[in-house]
Amino acid sequence: GEDVEQSLFLSVREGDSSVINCTYTDSSSTYLYWYKQEPGAGLQLLTYIFSNMDMKQDQRLTVLLNKKDKHLSLRIADTQTGDSAIYFCAENLGNAGNMLTFGGGTRLMVKP
Amino acid sequence: DTEVTQTPKHLVMGMTNKKSLKCEQHMGHRAMYWYKQKAKKPPELMFVYSYEKLSINESVPSRFSPECPNSSLLNLHLHALQPEDSALYLCASSQGGGPDTQYFGPGTRLTVL
Repeated sequence: GEDVEQSLFLSVREGDSSVINCTYTDSSSTYLYWYKQEPGAGLQLLTYIFSNMDMKQDQRLTVLLNKKDKHLSLRIADTQTGDSAIYFCAENLGNAGNMLTFGGGTRLMVKP
Repeated sequence: DTEVTQTPKHLVMGMTNKKSLKCEQHMGHRAMYWYKQKAKKPPELMFVYSYEKLSINESVPSRFSPECPNSSLLNLHLHALQPEDSALYLCASSQGGGPDTQYFGPGTRLTVL
């Protein structure tokens, strides 16, 4: 079955690194995504990684994928107060309809 | 340009009203999606249109009626809604034709009185 899990909450100090973790159960995932949602807003695509990659870096963001453990992480370097939001990981199984399975979301709070 | 637009931003309606939500994209995407999101929950897929044809309906009640007039536009017609239908309704689009990345709009905050 499909299940994507995330911890509910993470609090960090401004300037520190944040690491948001996600585990998934289906090994046939094609793409894995990180979306950011600020209060009252839609989902903003932050980054994605193909399932045949181990790591992807994009400015302050680093995505690590451990396929053996079905573990995905998002590291935000030099976290800023503007990074405070809910972060959703999602997997795309490549099935008909291009359907995404979302995790429950991690609320990141950045303290000044 | 990876912009998906949605109107209105906010909508308040009574249970006997008929209203419509609109979504538009000009990225040449051929797949469009409607999601419902309740507070503190992830989005739940409602409908998928692929090349202007409805390809997935996730057992959504008939009081929600999607329409895809052309490849750039997606509507969601609402009729006889219930208070529990109050939520953020998100539209997304993707290139279509295979596994690819979905881009989301800002959403419509719907309140049913």
